[in-house]
Amino acid sequence: QVQLVESGGGVVQPGRSLRLSCAASGFTFSDYAMHWVRQAPGKGLEWVAVISYDGTNEYFADSVKGRFTISRDNSKNTLHLQMNSLRPEDTALYYCTRDSSGWSGFFDYWGQGTLVTVSS
Amino acid sequence: EIVLTQSPATLSLSPGERATLSCRASQSVSIYLAWYQQKPGQAPRLLIYNASNRAAGIPARFSGSGSGTDFTLTISSLEPEDFAVYYCQQRSNWPSGSFGQGTKLEIK
Repeated sequence: QVQLVESGGGVVQPGRSLRLSCAASGFTFSDYAMHWVRQAPGKGLEWVAVISYDGTNEYFADSVKGRFTISRDNSKNTLHLQMNSLRPEDTALYYCTRDSSGWSGFFDYWGQGTLVTVSS
Repeated sequence: EIVLTQSPATLSLSPGERATLSCRASQSVSIYLAWYQQKPGQAPRLLIYNASNRAAGIPARFSGSGSGTDFTLTISSLEPEDFAVYYCQQRSNWPSGSFGQGTKLEIK
């Protein structure tokens, strides 16, 4: 069965960096685009970033562009989100999600999330 | 930026009743709209994609309709496990996308 397990969240001061990881299993990781979606405490969902199946294309929400990078290691079935210059408004539960069909922009599997808290 | 507005914010119904949830886009998204269900403490689950296609394993009581700017998620007969928050999401301007603010479906 498809499993996505996020790690790397924690409490960090504004302006600092954090790297999230997502370990994927139960499917051919290298066949799918992968996304990060976040949810601030008690709030709705916000798409953050996507990387193509082979890592050659990446796109970001305007709110994180220039501060976050996304990468993947298909040999290790792992997805990463490097978050720099963190702001209090980046505080959220970060979900790793699988694109439902190649490059559809819909998310058919979700991890349980890793919590990032940006606070001094 | 395409804004999705969901209504109502909260819907109070009883098991066995029919639920109708609405999602309106600020401009046409064609059929590129999905619906997700989120229960407390859980990740969202994909229910419907491309406006009317049920995702794998989703019961037939869930159906989606609409195109352009107006979309509806219908649950034909509510089961106890259906009470949750529902989000719509568009990907018309892919690779950017946006979610609605959610509709909470609660037990009356």
